[in-house]
Amino acid sequence: NAGVTQTPKFQVLKTGQSMTLQCAQDMNHEYMSWYRQDPGMGLRLIHYSVGAGITDQGEVPNGYNVSRSTTEDFPLRLLSAAPSQTSVYFCASSYFPRKTGMNTEAFFGQGTRLTVV
Amino acid sequence: DAKTTQPNSMESNEEEPVHLPCNHSTISGTDYIHWYRQLPSQGPEYVIHGLTSNVNNRMASLAIAEDRKSSTLILHRATLRDAAVYYCIPRGGSEKLVFGKGTKLTVNP
Repeated sequence: NAGVTQTPKFQVLKTGQSMTLQCAQDMNHEYMSWYRQDPGMGLRLIHYSVGAGITDQGEVPNGYNVSRSTTEDFPLRLLSAAPSQTSVYFCASSYFPRKTGMNTEAFFGQGTRLTVV
Repeated sequence: DAKTTQPNSMESNEEEPVHLPCNHSTISGTDYIHWYRQLPSQGPEYVIHGLTSNVNNRMASLAIAEDRKSSTLILHRATLRDAAVYYCIPRGGSEKLVFGKGTKLTVNP
């Protein structure tokens, strides 16, 4: 069972370049989300999705796009990278907490360390 | 989203119990209280969650106040591997998992 897989693990971009961070899960989880973590800080929610075709913004969505065409995949796109987007990015997935008693333990990927120069 | 308050940092000695507090006075009646931890250079990992009554698992215990406005994560015998940032997160119908600043736990040998 692979869990949550993020690729790449490391990436260096030049300002203005675009790229897509990949996130895939094999647990049939409805809920998926992206976070960024800056040095010495907590995780901040960028975007999240409660199922295929449904996405919503978190705390810091500017500069990032997402789509959810399948249950398994939730890619994060940077259209024009900026140095302020240098960070570690984490993807997470869980069952959607639609009823009490449901185990909604979230599983996290190992992160993508992105540097924008 | 319910707001949480946790101490910025705590310190413990190896093999001693650790009690990590969290205040969540605005929690909704259907929100579960989740705890996650983040070891250095790793993604967060689930520790435990509960609704009203105390909960135990192989990693920790969770004590929830009767009024649900606070909870305490208990590590019965801290090890060096337990040094991490611990996050308390109410989660329910809003579906979002929103992290606060957490408590950085230092474990001394």
